[in-house]
Amino acid sequence: DTGVSQDPRHKITKRGQNVTFRCDPISEHNRLYWYRQTLGQGPEFLTYFQNEAQLEKSRLLSDRFSAERPKGSFSTLEIQRTEQGDSAMYLCASSFSGTGLRNTIYFGEGSWLTVV
Amino acid sequence: AQKITQTQPGMFVQEKEAVTLDCTYDTSDQSYGLFWYKQPSSGEMIFLIYQGSYDEQNATEGRYSLNFQKARKSANLVISASQLGDSAMYFCAMRGRTGNQFYFGTGTSLTVIP
Repeated sequence: DTGVSQDPRHKITKRGQNVTFRCDPISEHNRLYWYRQTLGQGPEFLTYFQNEAQLEKSRLLSDRFSAERPKGSFSTLEIQRTEQGDSAMYLCASSFSGTGLRNTIYFGEGSWLTVV
Repeated sequence: AQKITQTQPGMFVQEKEAVTLDCTYDTSDQSYGLFWYKQPSSGEMIFLIYQGSYDEQNATEGRYSLNFQKARKSANLVISASQLGDSAMYFCAMRGRTGNQFYFGTGTSLTVIP
């Protein structure tokens, strides 16, 4: 039983460049979430998918950010024209839909982004 | 609006002792879930324990237990018999009625002293 995997684990990019992160969720899970975490803070919700549909986006998700989950399996998070304020860890998580313990979200190891 | 508050930025505990990490929450939902996650320095968020708002018994999972006081809106994590490997950040989280979002606190850094 494989967990949530994210790639790359670390990315250093120059300001203004585009970056893309990939997330492979737990295979049976139909929900996939993206969170962002900065130092000293808890994860902040960015967006989530149920199957291939993006059902909710946070106001934190500026128009430079785009997320896709084309076949309802893996997802990508792209950041265009990166800014230094985008430096953070980007966490992917997945879950079953519904409520209760079954809806527990399981996280990947995160993708660290540093914009220089 | 949903809100999670963790008022202890850092905690220290002697190895083999018990420690309580505080969490209070605010929600207008009647149905919600409360979660605790552990985040070691490697970064991965590890699920520890879950408590549903309608659960009458406090959740337990090995050395972890959740002291759920619904009227006070608190969901404290108790770790018994602390081990050196318990040193990490601990986050309290809440899922609202719709189950679409999880809201996290700012975390508590736990250090276990040998």
